[in-house]
Amino acid sequence: AQSVTQLGSHVSVSEGALVLLRCNYSSSVPPYLFWYVQYPNQGLQLLLKYTSAATLVKGINGFEAEFKKSETSFHLTKPSAHMSDAAEYFCAVSGDNFGNEKLTFGTGTRLTIIP
Amino acid sequence: DGGITQSPKYLFRKEGQNVTLSCEQNLNHDAMYWYRQDPGQGLRLIYYSQIVNDFQKGDIAEGYSVSREKKESFPLTVTSAQKNPTAFYLCASSIGANREQYFGPGTRLTVT
Repeated sequence: AQSVTQLGSHVSVSEGALVLLRCNYSSSVPPYLFWYVQYPNQGLQLLLKYTSAATLVKGINGFEAEFKKSETSFHLTKPSAHMSDAAEYFCAVSGDNFGNEKLTFGTGTRLTIIP
Repeated sequence: DGGITQSPKYLFRKEGQNVTLSCEQNLNHDAMYWYRQDPGQGLRLIYYSQIVNDFQKGDIAEGYSVSREKKESFPLTVTSAQKNPTAFYLCASSIGANREQYFGPGTRLTVT
């Protein structure tokens, strides 16, 4: 069965500093991987996705993630944090069976930006 | 604009009452999903449907029911058998092969 682990339920960074949110996955087949962002009392918005093309994936709002098969990781980064980045971030994996559209989500990382 | 709508945004019910949460999409997506979100637990899948008139239980289906009579609609009923129904409920849809899911704005249900 597939699974996702997000290290750190809370991360705080200063405005302008590097953002690094960690995600490790487990999957029996080559995975599809996603990062979503959620602002308070809202639904989830797709930031970026990995679908076995380029290992470095660029997303919206300046975020990017690198797929590392040897480390089973898909960490999310942004070079310079902005106050508007404060939100909860979820990593998700899909890929157990072709045609099975279920995603498995991590428990989320709440990002706080310090002015 | 295409998207997913959920109504209402906030819902209050007394214990022992069934309640139905609405989810409508105009993205022409085949697959639809219901998730429950509780603090610190991420998203947990309740039910999903890959085609009209067919649906499957997710990881926490007990106490919930769904129907999929139309491609655009996937309502969720929280029954009185659900022991802890207070939560934030999210509906999502996907077109299929690309596997990314699009989410609605959510409904916050409070049962007292």
